[in-house]
Amino acid sequence: GDSVTQMEGPVTLSEEAFLTINCTYTATGYPSLFWYVQYPGEGLQLLLKATKADDKGSNKGFEATYRKETTSFHLEKGSVQVSDSAVYFCALLPTGGSYIPTFGRGTSLIVHP
Amino acid sequence: ETGVTQSPTHLIKTRGQQVTLRCSSQSGHNTVSWYQQALGQGPQFIFQYYREEENGRGNFPPRFSGLQFPNYSSELNVNALELDDSALYLCASSPHVGSGGRPDTQYFGPGTRLTVL
Repeated sequence: GDSVTQMEGPVTLSEEAFLTINCTYTATGYPSLFWYVQYPGEGLQLLLKATKADDKGSNKGFEATYRKETTSFHLEKGSVQVSDSAVYFCALLPTGGSYIPTFGRGTSLIVHP
Repeated sequence: ETGVTQSPTHLIKTRGQQVTLRCSSQSGHNTVSWYQQALGQGPQFIFQYYREEENGRGNFPPRFSGLQFPNYSSELNVNALELDDSALYLCASSPHVGSGGRPDTQYFGPGTRLTVL
């Protein structure tokens, strides 16, 4: 079945550092890929998405590129802020069959001033 | 535009009881999905409703059931509660798009925190 693997957290960075959170997936066909962010005590917020190979999703300084050849969708940000501290989830949505979404386990990001 | 709303925010039940959680979808969205998120884990797909019918189900027992109403709002019912049912329950709505009617990007509500004692 489909699966999403994220790097283990927590990821701890100083403010203005460069961020990478790795995400790889296993799926048949060409799923849509997503990054969601969850702040403490809240639901998930859509951060960005990409629907086909080589697409780049971007939002609020975050970027991720859909790499079909490496089945990856790594999240990056050039300069993190304390307010970026949250849990980040990578997810895929199949484009055929059952359309059942699959989420990764989440990666906690802690940004220190 | 109103986002996805869920009620109640928090709930405490005891083992063996039954619970009903409610979700109102975002305006224009006709598909609702429910997820269970245990502490420190990613959301696990329970089921999805489209046009008032179940349209996909994850690996959850039959005591997890749901409904979707004509206005696209939805309920999640859990019977015979177990301690392991303690979790954050998330509802997500999405529009159906394309000739194949597949669901598009999901937008989540704030969740209902269920504690089973």
